[in-house]
Amino acid sequence: DTGVSQNPRHKITKRGQNVTFRCDPISEHNRLYWYRQTLGQGPEFLTYFQNEAQLEKSRLLSDRFSAERPKGSFSTLEIQRTEQGDSAMYLCASSLTGVNYEQYFGPGTRLTVT
Amino acid sequence: AQSVTQLGSHVSVSEGALVLLRCNYSSSVPPYLFWYVQYPNQGLQLLLKYTTGATLVKGINGFEAEFKKSETSFHLTKPSAHMSDAAEYFCAVSDRGNQGGKLIFGQGTELSVKP
Repeated sequence: DTGVSQNPRHKITKRGQNVTFRCDPISEHNRLYWYRQTLGQGPEFLTYFQNEAQLEKSRLLSDRFSAERPKGSFSTLEIQRTEQGDSAMYLCASSLTGVNYEQYFGPGTRLTVT
Repeated sequence: AQSVTQLGSHVSVSEGALVLLRCNYSSSVPPYLFWYVQYPNQGLQLLLKYTTGATLVKGINGFEAEFKKSETSFHLTKPSAHMSDAAEYFCAVSDRGNQGGKLIFGQGTELSVKP
């Protein structure tokens, strides 16, 4: 069990550029979650998958955001036409349904939009 | 809709003193309840959780929390603070009806420990 990994750990981009983040969950976990955390705030839910199906999306997730989990394993989160307000820590978590209800978090990807 | 309120964005205690971090939730049905800790520039680590059974739950690093349904509270305590406890603490809830599902977090409480 190597835990949840996220890449890259840091990303600096210019406003208007597209960025993509990757999350690799714990291997047997069927649920994968994305959260966004801004400075001094608790994480906010963005979206989650059960296997490859995207089951819920937050109203926070504008049309510029898209997430995929094509084979029910890793997931990508893409932000198109980035804005300065997108600067945040993007956290990924995974869990196994019916077991403990715990979510295990990755280290996060810190995005800075200049 | 579920919500979580953590009273006090900053709490400062002396080393060896009692730690008390407060969490109240709002939900039509008692949810699953969690406390997470976050150290600078790191992800979140689960301290403890309440899903069912005994309302006093013990977690890692000497922390414990008690679920009080009548008060809709899940306060986190530790009898004796250690310098290494300095971190950000988040209370969170998830929907019991969805086998958990998304977490709704409070705004966090930063714990400082003075020598």
